[in-house]
Amino acid sequence: DARVTQTPRHKVTEMGQEVTMRCQPILGHNTVFWYRQTMMQGLELLAYFRNRAPLDDSGMPKDRFSAEMPDATLATLKIQPSEPRDSAVYFCASGTGLVNYGYTFGSGTRLTVV
Amino acid sequence: AQRVTQPEKLLSVFKGAPVELKCNYSYSGSPELFWYVQYSRQRLQLLLRHISRESIKGFTADLNKGETSFHLKKPFAQEEDSAMYYCAPAAYSGAGSYQLTFGKGTKLSVIP
Repeated sequence: DARVTQTPRHKVTEMGQEVTMRCQPILGHNTVFWYRQTMMQGLELLAYFRNRAPLDDSGMPKDRFSAEMPDATLATLKIQPSEPRDSAVYFCASGTGLVNYGYTFGSGTRLTVV
Repeated sequence: AQRVTQPEKLLSVFKGAPVELKCNYSYSGSPELFWYVQYSRQRLQLLLRHISRESIKGFTADLNKGETSFHLKKPFAQEEDSAMYYCAPAAYSGAGSYQLTFGKGTKLSVIP
């Protein structure tokens, strides 16, 4: 069963520190999404890529967040500097872009900024 | 603006009772529609897709284009159905890809 792999699973960091979250999409998937999940806001789309090119990152605070795909097997989401309000679960999802197959989610990175 | 609404934050039903989780959407064009499920502290999993007309774990969902609704139903709830359920329309966003937007979710609690 192919899976989307996210690391780390948990991260606790101090305010002001840089945080990098990684995602390995399913081999052959060319569309990658980053979502943030909080109790208050639910699931928010932060950014997504197709064939490694960013298509939309309008949901992402540009001053501190950045998302990249250095190659087809790795997507990264970076927060610098981190703030307590960034505490959330960050999910990565990948797919082929063919809508009838949906998208597959990773297990998420639970970030706590203290 | 594109919007998806799940009016119930929490739905509690007794085991064996019917379940209906509501979803209404407001989209330009005709989005494809999905339901995702998230069991406690786990990843989101695709539950079913309108395009496949499938029934998964006893759940079905009917698209009503007139009411722009895609409610999720199950005739007899089981304890293992307790989870968060998210309605997710997927709209074409260009460059050959579809963007999923999620509702706020409904937490289903099945009482033994």
